[in-house]
Amino acid sequence: AQTVTQSQPEMSVQEAETVTLSCTYDTSESDYYLFWYKQPPSRQMILVIRQEAYKQQNATENRFSVNFQKAAKSFSLKISDSQLGDAAMYFCAYRTLGGATNKLIFGTGTLLAVQP
Amino acid sequence: DVKVTQSSRYLVKRTGEKVFLECVQDMDHENMFWYRQDPGLGLRLIYFSYDVKMKEKGDIPEGYSVSREKKERFSLILESASTNQTSMYLCASGRQFGSYEQYFGPGTRLTVT
Repeated sequence: AQTVTQSQPEMSVQEAETVTLSCTYDTSESDYYLFWYKQPPSRQMILVIRQEAYKQQNATENRFSVNFQKAAKSFSLKISDSQLGDAAMYFCAYRTLGGATNKLIFGTGTLLAVQP
Repeated sequence: DVKVTQSSRYLVKRTGEKVFLECVQDMDHENMFWYRQDPGLGLRLIYFSYDVKMKEKGDIPEGYSVSREKKERFSLILESASTNQTSMYLCASGRQFGSYEQYFGPGTRLTVT
């Protein structure tokens, strides 16, 4: 069975600085999707960025980018020019391309604090 | 914009009560999900549904049941609430094919006393 591990329960970054959140996963599959979700305090979870495993190029969305290392089964999220609004719980998630439904397997989350 | 709504943001129930949590999505998504979120444990899948009247158990289905009579609505039922079911419950929906992104509701924080 697939597993997702986020080894950093909490992280802190200064405003305008860069921070990297770690995520590793375990799978025997060759094709899958990876996601980073953001859950701000008392607000809805939203998708930050997605990566398709067959694509070698790392995904980028504005200030958010990933470092996808397929052989190492690593999928880290880099937030550049951190803003106060980036403070949130961040979840890494894995989605198999097999099976009838798009089930996601989530990590335990990293709580990011942004210091002014 | 996709909208997923949940019937309550906060709910307090007594042990042994039957509890209904309702979720509605407005994007005609085939798949709907119920998760439980606890500190240090992340999100754990309780049940999911890939079509009307179709359901499958997730990782922690014990003590829960679900109902999906209409495509847009997915209900989570706690037959006899217990204190260990105190948690944040998140509903999500998503397409069967395509981006595989899931869209989440605001969550229901349930306290069982």
